[in-house]
Amino acid sequence: NAGVTQTPKFRVLKTGQSMTLLCAQDMNHEYMYWYRQDPGMGLRLIHYSVGEGTTAKGEVPDGYNVSRLKKQNFLLGLESAAPSQTSVYFCAIHSGGPYTGELFFGEGSRLTVL
Amino acid sequence: DAKTTQPNSMESNEEEPVHLPCNHSTISGTDYIHWYRQLPSQGPEYVIHGLTSNVNNRMASLAIAEDRKSSTLILHRATLRDAAVYYCTTNSGGSNYKLTFGKGTLLTVNP
Repeated sequence: NAGVTQTPKFRVLKTGQSMTLLCAQDMNHEYMYWYRQDPGMGLRLIHYSVGEGTTAKGEVPDGYNVSRLKKQNFLLGLESAAPSQTSVYFCAIHSGGPYTGELFFGEGSRLTVL
Repeated sequence: DAKTTQPNSMESNEEEPVHLPCNHSTISGTDYIHWYRQLPSQGPEYVIHGLTSNVNNRMASLAIAEDRKSSTLILHRATLRDAAVYYCTTNSGGSNYKLTFGKGTLLTVNP
């Protein structure tokens, strides 16, 4: 997975609990992304970052916060988890030119909110 | 980024060619066309991308219509390992590079 590591891979939460998903890269790529995928749906972009210290909203940012304090790490936080946030979360990095390049995805983190 | 439209599902037989269509009628002149696929229980993986000319790589070929409003991903000889969801997306690139994905096309390959 081109050096993209997501932790944890599985987690079960109760409604209202908080948690943080970590995406770590072992390279030096500027762009990192968090997506969610629900059954029968495609991937939806939650937040992304174009460099250390920067974050931006994607298609479905509500209920999530992110931080990119270190270039290698992109954190996705759920302050008060809701059942609607039950999903598989994928982190991705962008490698290549500004108009092309490729996204490399992690293996995914499966989150269940009860 | 242009909205893309793909069939929900397609079926093919092993060792036969597969043509996966994608409509992107609102694409702008600088938008690239990207294809990714997602194998079961895995994250998506890059397949191919192009701008205007047809493109070939070891995985597939990308045929882009002359008006760029549609494209077709071609798998020359489908194998069982090609069974996946295939996503077509476009991106204008630049300093705000991001890709958005629709529901894609679920490709079933019959032995």
